[in-house]
Amino acid sequence: AQSVTQLDSHVSVSEGTPVLLRCNYSSSYSPSLFWYVQHPNKGLQLLLKYTSAATLVKGINGFEAEFKKSETSFHLTKPSAHMSDAAEYFCVVSDIMKGAQKLVFGQGTRLTINP
Amino acid sequence: NAGVMQNPRHLVRRRGQEARLRCSPMKGHSHVYWYRQLPEEGLKFMVYLQKENIIDESGMPKERFSAEFPKEGPSILRIQQVVRGDSAAYFCASSPVGQDNSPLHFGNGTRLTVT
Repeated sequence: AQSVTQLDSHVSVSEGTPVLLRCNYSSSYSPSLFWYVQHPNKGLQLLLKYTSAATLVKGINGFEAEFKKSETSFHLTKPSAHMSDAAEYFCVVSDIMKGAQKLVFGQGTRLTINP
Repeated sequence: NAGVMQNPRHLVRRRGQEARLRCSPMKGHSHVYWYRQLPEEGLKFMVYLQKENIIDESGMPKERFSAEFPKEGPSILRIQQVVRGDSAAYFCASSPVGQDNSPLHFGNGTRLTVT
C-alpha cells in the first residue's frame, strides 16, 4: 500500500519569506503525487500534480514541488509567502485499485503566515 | 461549469437520527468518490461509485453507512442511527474517468455535527 508522511503538522513563516512544506512518500511503484490546499471551511483545491514527467512541477499561486526518487520526497516550496497562503496543505499519493483513483492523504500541514 | 456541489453545507443531527448527504458531480463526470475528514486529520477514502454501481466500498464502515449514485439525481451518502463519532466533514469528489490521469475535483464538503 502507498502512503505519505508530512513531516510538520504546523509551519509558521513571515510574509515575504520562503515556504517549505515537507512530504515523504512510500510506494512500491512509480507514484502519482499531488499537493492539495484547503482553506478554512472550504473544499480542497489542487495545487499541483506529479505523474512521472518533469521532476520539478510548477503549480498555481507560485507553488512548486520537486520529486526526488532517491529521497522518496515531494516537498512543496514557494519563494515568497503571501498572507493568502495561510491554509492547510495535504500531500497526497494516488493508489489505483479496481480502476478507482483512491487518494491517500497525509495528515496535513497547517501553514501560518505572520505579517 | 459549476463545480462539485454538496448539500447541505452544515448538518446537525441528534444521536440516533439519520443523516443524508448529497453530492452532484461536475457536469460530464460519471465517477463519484466520498471521503471523510475527522478533526485534525487528513481525508480518508470511503467509497467509489459510478452511475448505479458501487465499485469500491472498502473504506465504508460495515454498519449504518451506505451510498448510492442513481441513474438520475445526486449521489447520496446515508448514515443511519448517527453517533458522536460520526461528526466529521464529508467530502465528495468527481472525475470524468476512473484513471490516474484525471485529478479529482472536490466539493466544499458537508460538516456533520452529532449532538
